[in-house]
Amino acid sequence: GAVVSQHPSWVICKSGTSVKIECRSLDFQATTMFWYRQFPKQSLMLMATSNEGSKATYEQGVEKDKFLINHASLTLSTLTVTSAHPEDSSFYICSARDPGQGVSEGYTFGSGTRLTVV
Amino acid sequence: GQNIDQPTEMTATEGAIVQINCTYQTSGFNGLFWYQQHAGEAPTFLSYNVLDGLEEKGRFSSFLSRSKGYSYLLLKELQMKDSASYLCAVMDSNYQLIWGAGTKLIIKP
Repeated sequence: GAVVSQHPSWVICKSGTSVKIECRSLDFQATTMFWYRQFPKQSLMLMATSNEGSKATYEQGVEKDKFLINHASLTLSTLTVTSAHPEDSSFYICSARDPGQGVSEGYTFGSGTRLTVV
Repeated sequence: GQNIDQPTEMTATEGAIVQINCTYQTSGFNGLFWYQQHAGEAPTFLSYNVLDGLEEKGRFSSFLSRSKGYSYLLLKELQMKDSASYLCAVMDSNYQLIWGAGTKLIIKP
């Protein structure tokens, strides 16, 4: 089945620094990847849709200058949290769907990144 | 607006059956998904319904009624490892996933 790899699994950074999270599709090409954020005991919140070779589409309320998304290849999308603050501490998850599989196979998620800003 | 409702929390006993309901109002419909998410982990795919009726997969079954905007996930022979959050998501007319807040299922011995 489709596999999505996400790194790092967890990261602790100082307030004001930037953190990059990588999401790779290992056995398929993903023209589109999705970035979610999840706060404790809450559901997934879509932050942006990452499109290979073009600008990402951000959801309302998500600052595009703070959450930089780059989708330079068909297998890699990166999310950079710039000038991180404690309120950015959250669980970040990427997701993609193998276009070679039917919609019924669902979307595959990366393992998530637990970001803690101190 | 788009809305998906599911209970916040449910409790059930090991070995029993539990039904988790999901109602939705979305702009268009291209299928409904159920995902399981253990604490601190990413969601894993459980089922997909696009036509009315019941889909069975081992101990898990999922039902859909498009006319009622309603789905349920049925878990049989509950095991302790089934303690998790269960997320209902609908794919709208733009093929975007709209997520429910999730139902935390607590299994007691």
